[in-house]
Amino acid sequence: DAGVIQSPRHEVTEMGQEVTLRCKPISGHNSLFWYRQTMMRGLELLIYFNNNVPIDDSGMPEDRFSAKMPNASFSTLKIQPSEPRDSAVYFCASSFLGPYNEQFFGPGTRLTVL
Amino acid sequence: GENVEQHPSTLSVQEGDSAVIKCTYSDSASNYFPWYKQELGKRPQLIIDIRSNVGEKKDQRIAVTLNKTAKHFSLHITETQPEDSAVYFCAASKGDYKLSFGAGTTVTVRA
Repeated sequence: DAGVIQSPRHEVTEMGQEVTLRCKPISGHNSLFWYRQTMMRGLELLIYFNNNVPIDDSGMPEDRFSAKMPNASFSTLKIQPSEPRDSAVYFCASSFLGPYNEQFFGPGTRLTVL
Repeated sequence: GENVEQHPSTLSVQEGDSAVIKCTYSDSASNYFPWYKQELGKRPQLIIDIRSNVGEKKDQRIAVTLNKTAKHFSLHITETQPEDSAVYFCAASKGDYKLSFGAGTTVTVRA
């Protein structure tokens, strides 16, 4: 298995533009997570999907952020409009939900908003 | 919600020495404590975990200890090597989906 796949790996955009981050979880995993990592706030859970359904989106910063999971093998995180404070590394992770199950992280997308 | 504090924030050790990272948690219902290692520019990866029914777990040069009464757990790395240089994150969970991460410890192993 190739592991969790994310694209793009790097994204540089200007303030006000729409940004879409993509994730392909590990086949067979039924849980998907989007995290944001910054120096100031560390690793923050943005949203959690189970069986393609959003279960916990309490970490989504504001209405500018949205996430979808149209099927078991694909998820997107969209920021519209983007702002400089959104600059961070965004990780997608997947797992098979059960007690104590390891979350496998993707390589991350480094987003820079100018 | 769960609050996980991690200390120290940075740790420099001589190659061959031991490194210890400590974490405390606030929610007594937490029962699963994984540790992730993140090398520079890479993804976090699980290196070891411990469940609340166990006080200690060891895997080669790394070990974790858990004190449920005091609500703290620690990562011990013995005989450190240059490849141990990374950021280490502790986390706590109630055994469901949610991991509450500590702020991370940057470990530097000096040759």
